[in-house]
Amino acid sequence: GAGVSQSPRYKVAKRGQDVALRCDPISGHVSLFWYQQALGQGPEFLTYFQNEAQLDKSGLPSDRFFAERPEGSVSTLKIQRTQQEDSAVYLCASSLGGVAKNIQYFGAGTRLSVL
Amino acid sequence: AQKITQTQPGMFVQEKEAVTLDCTYDTSDQSYGLFWYKQPSSGEMIFLIYQGSYDEQNATEGRYSLNFQKARKSANLVISASQLGDSAMYFCAMREYSGGFKTIFGAGTRLFVKA
Repeated sequence: GAGVSQSPRYKVAKRGQDVALRCDPISGHVSLFWYQQALGQGPEFLTYFQNEAQLDKSGLPSDRFFAERPEGSVSTLKIQRTQQEDSAVYLCASSLGGVAKNIQYFGAGTRLSVL
Repeated sequence: AQKITQTQPGMFVQEKEAVTLDCTYDTSDQSYGLFWYKQPSSGEMIFLIYQGSYDEQNATEGRYSLNFQKARKSANLVISASQLGDSAMYFCAMREYSGGFKTIFGAGTRLFVKA
């Protein structure tokens, strides 16, 4: 597609459920990022992939969060045993190369609400 | 440590006038990039403008310009000839190039353009 696509757009989960959020980056983009955006705040970095390699996962808040990009294209962010504090918008971004100054293009996000 | 500060939670501007959104940053790196993104109510982050730390000229992209003052560590966004469609959240972001791939964002400024 022309842009970064994320699904679902909205997800409601009961506390303790596992969720999986999908990101389809722009075709040919090597780099992929996940961010968490709490209400009224700026995005916070979660993790970074270069192709299928996860090069930085320093922002993942706990071991309940797991991300993968097995074929270097589509990525999935999985949250196990969701908690209320996980409620946020999860943004995915992709960029053309691994060079640091490459512009990141964002998807519209998945809004996760944990009840 | 990296840090981005946006001190204006909200700003009002009259249509067709210019507005400046403030951004200051903190880094010990000599090589870094500064970015501005727009986030309308739809949620998608839209890239506006980029400034590299070694760029001598201030960046410009159409109605957007970046007032880069390296010694003061400020990177203010100037929007000229404001339009109603400019009403949105605006985020300043920074990426250090020395290592890692993390981009950090400020808390944002909500801009309201009045007719």
